[in-house]
Amino acid sequence: DADVTQTPRNRITKTGKRIMLECSQTKGHDRMYWYRQDPGLGLQLIYYSFDVKDINKGEISDGYSVSRQAQAKFSLSLESAIPNQTALYFCATSDPRDSTDTQYFGPGTRLTVL
Amino acid sequence: AQKVTQAQTEISVVEKEDVTLDCVYETRDTTYYLFWYKQPPSGELVFLIRRNSFDEQNEISGRYSWNFQKSTSSFNFTITASQVVDSAVYFCALVRGSTLGRLYFGRGTQLTVWP
Repeated sequence: DADVTQTPRNRITKTGKRIMLECSQTKGHDRMYWYRQDPGLGLQLIYYSFDVKDINKGEISDGYSVSRQAQAKFSLSLESAIPNQTALYFCATSDPRDSTDTQYFGPGTRLTVL
Repeated sequence: AQKVTQAQTEISVVEKEDVTLDCVYETRDTTYYLFWYKQPPSGELVFLIRRNSFDEQNEISGRYSWNFQKSTSSFNFTITASQVVDSAVYFCALVRGSTLGRLYFGRGTQLTVWP
């Protein structure tokens, strides 16, 4: 079984709809992250959480919100989806006991907003 | 500001050729960590290697090798005797020691290996 899972893997939605992307991990890591990937732009950090009570904005948090329901679960919401939020979304985790803070990624969710 | 530059947007080689992917980084931190990730056509991101700023020793893992040079702020990745399965987008990334958790990615290099 994968250590970091994301649901759904693919989603098509319409402008204005609320959508939630979910991430679960079995790695026991305290730190979790949400990124989006646009073609040719690499990955950009949306939000990150160092523990259940800690939520921080990343580079491109506008239009997104997150919820850290438990150590193992970190959800990303688009309150009112717009077409330029069409992208590939990745969840990642890391272990604070690892001094290098290596991040391990989920399989990604491909979101299309029409 | 932190910055990771992968100047090669796309590279095409024929199987069995050697290929080097370039990565140049920029940071004022003295402690930092560098990473390479692979994104095959299936889309997932696979961790390949990490290096800390105090360890300039080059590393070899099978057909992969990494050359870290602080003097030129570079962390280049070489694939020897490339194979079709190496076709992927490769990302170089940086984490500053002072802001662990903020992973700065380059824009990636699309490598295509032709049979």
